[in-house]
Amino acid sequence: EDQVTQSPEALRLQEGESSSLNCSYTVSGLRGLFWYRQDPGKGPEFLFTLYSAGEEKEKERLKATLTKKESFLHITAPKPEDSATYLCAVRVYNTDKLIFGTGTRLQVFP
Amino acid sequence: GAGVSQTPSNKVTEKGKYVELRCDPISGHTALYWYRQSLGQGPEFLIYFQGTGAADDSGLPNDRFFAVRPEGSVSTLKIQRTERGDSAVYLCASSLTGTGGMGQFFGPGTRLTVL
Repeated sequence: EDQVTQSPEALRLQEGESSSLNCSYTVSGLRGLFWYRQDPGKGPEFLFTLYSAGEEKEKERLKATLTKKESFLHITAPKPEDSATYLCAVRVYNTDKLIFGTGTRLQVFP
Repeated sequence: GAGVSQTPSNKVTEKGKYVELRCDPISGHTALYWYRQSLGQGPEFLIYFQGTGAADDSGLPNDRFFAVRPEGSVSTLKIQRTERGDSAVYLCASSLTGTGGMGQFFGPGTRLTVL
């Protein structure tokens, strides 16, 4: 069964304290791994797509990396406005749906 | 419109009632998806449309749930004989032709509460 697991469930950081969020996956055939940001009361907002092991994408303080079994979302020198839930999702062969993990709730304190 | 819109933003109903949730995708997007998100969980796939037809409805939990997209644009998710366990945020997403490099674009969701 295709599965996505995210850790930790929650993360509290001081402003400027860098850290990483983990997304491990077990799928029959990966056709894309997606990172989304979700603010309270809003829908998920697209951040990155990764397709193959070794691939990296960056946007401001965020960098996403991919291996054959997991993806990391690295947050460098976070700011309070980075506080949100970060969701990881996979697309597998022969489907167009996304399978989501349960998310990591990030809080960044000034 | 500029993004995916969903109406209503909130819906409170009583157990056993019928509800309809509407989704307006981004103009020109042929693919439309419905997900359900419970508190503290990630979105859970329900159904996917390509144009007017349901390409994958494997996530619909039972026959009380039904969705249509008659003209290939607006979609309506219909829930009959609602149960308290149906309470969740229902998210709609769209993409140009399918899930590609930009992923799926999500709306703000409809929060459904079944009393």
